[in-house]
Amino acid sequence: EAQVTQNPRYLITVTGKKLTVTCSQNMNHEYMSWYRQDPGLGLRQIYYSMNVEVTDKGDVPEGYKVSRKEKRNFPLILESPSPNQTSLYFCASSRRQGGTDTQYFGPGTRLTVL
Amino acid sequence: DAKTTQPPSMDCAEGRAANLPCNHSTISGNEYVYWYRQIHSQGPQYIIHGLKNNETNEMASLIITEDRKSSTLILPHATLRDTAVYYCIVRVHGSSNTGKLIFGQGTTLQVKP
Repeated sequence: EAQVTQNPRYLITVTGKKLTVTCSQNMNHEYMSWYRQDPGLGLRQIYYSMNVEVTDKGDVPEGYKVSRKEKRNFPLILESPSPNQTSLYFCASSRRQGGTDTQYFGPGTRLTVL
Repeated sequence: DAKTTQPPSMDCAEGRAANLPCNHSTISGNEYVYWYRQIHSQGPQYIIHGLKNNETNEMASLIITEDRKSSTLILPHATLRDTAVYYCIVRVHGSSNTGKLIFGQGTTLQVKP
């Protein structure tokens, strides 16, 4: 089954404790992206990757890092989490084409930083 | 990418057609109209997209006006499981950030028994 998986699905942590949220897709997609969703602000893009070893900032990259060492994986790293990073996070992937490219989203990771 | 305007909420009776409008009066010629939905904090789900012709798939139909300034998503026989937030998004293909989606506030569709 074609899917995007994220782990963990729920995480409660404390300020400053480094964490990684993993994202994996099994569709051989070139493009992957991270979004965060906050009440009243909608979904905003954090980082994206056009292919292996190619990453770039989205609209709200501060406090986050990413890496793309393999095509299928795109982890989101919070080196020193802060309470304002409490949010619902989604990973997404799509085939990079010049034409239409349907985007597939993971189930989400709900992060609480105390 | 062009801005979209959607009503904040709509109700629909179960089994009836749900017609969700979207205005995108500043859309340019190379921008597509996409619809996604999000069910209760799950990951957004792609529904349908189009450029200027009407489109239909197993989930819905998309009607785009001739001037492309507005569109309507039609769920032909809404069920309770269609209760969700529906997002209308317009974007250019082939830009430097080809996958970026700009989500507005969407329309919360409540399907009632």
